[in-house]
Amino acid sequence: QSALTQPASVSGSPGQSITISCTGTSSDVGAYNYVSWYQQFPGKAPNLIIFGVTKRPSGVSNRFSGSKSGNTASLTISGLQIEDEADYYCNSYTRSKTWVFGGGTKLTVL
Amino acid sequence: QIQLVESGGGVVQPGGSLTLSCAASGFTISGYGMHWLRQAPGKGLKWVAFIQFDGSDENYVDSVKGRFTVSRDFSKNMLYLQMNSLRVEDTAVYYCAKYNWNDVGWFDPWGQGTLVTVSS
Repeated sequence: QSALTQPASVSGSPGQSITISCTGTSSDVGAYNYVSWYQQFPGKAPNLIIFGVTKRPSGVSNRFSGSKSGNTASLTISGLQIEDEADYYCNSYTRSKTWVFGGGTKLTVL
Repeated sequence: QIQLVESGGGVVQPGGSLTLSCAASGFTISGYGMHWLRQAPGKGLKWVAFIQFDGSDENYVDSVKGRFTVSRDFSKNMLYLQMNSLRVEDTAVYYCAKYNWNDVGWFDPWGQGTLVTVSS
């Protein structure tokens, strides 16, 4: 049950685009389209922003998008805004019938 | 409005026990799988446990197997996490989350969390 691999931090300027990668294995990310992404502000509970690799819940900005290639999923945030500054976590279901998160990525909007 | 509210956190000594509760409103838990997740102070999210809507399946992260048990009370629309033989490394904010399913699954919403501190 090893964690998925995410960069510890990414940064960008307002208006730019950034991408956060989430690398797993053929037993989790590569096995299912069950990748979801969560945004978490300090002291708050996580909020869903992407599910099923590419799907966006109602109310989530279309500046957030997801994709997957092989064992790596990605979250792209376009048109960065100051309010996007938060921690981001990916999650995947696994062949062991468990769920695993990435270590989290701190996004800084400069 | 779908809402989850956790309670029952507190300070407990190593080896002790604690039961967390998760009150659901806006939906009936008998129709959904439910999860417990946790986040140690300053650390990332970790999945802890899952119970299927009909109780047909339960699963736990290896580090809590044999020590933690998920249960439900449908009459109260409540989810529970019984935690025994607690260790210092179990210290975390514990969240419950509704598991949604439509060919793929996702956690939404999450409760606000309840802090468990295991310390002597």
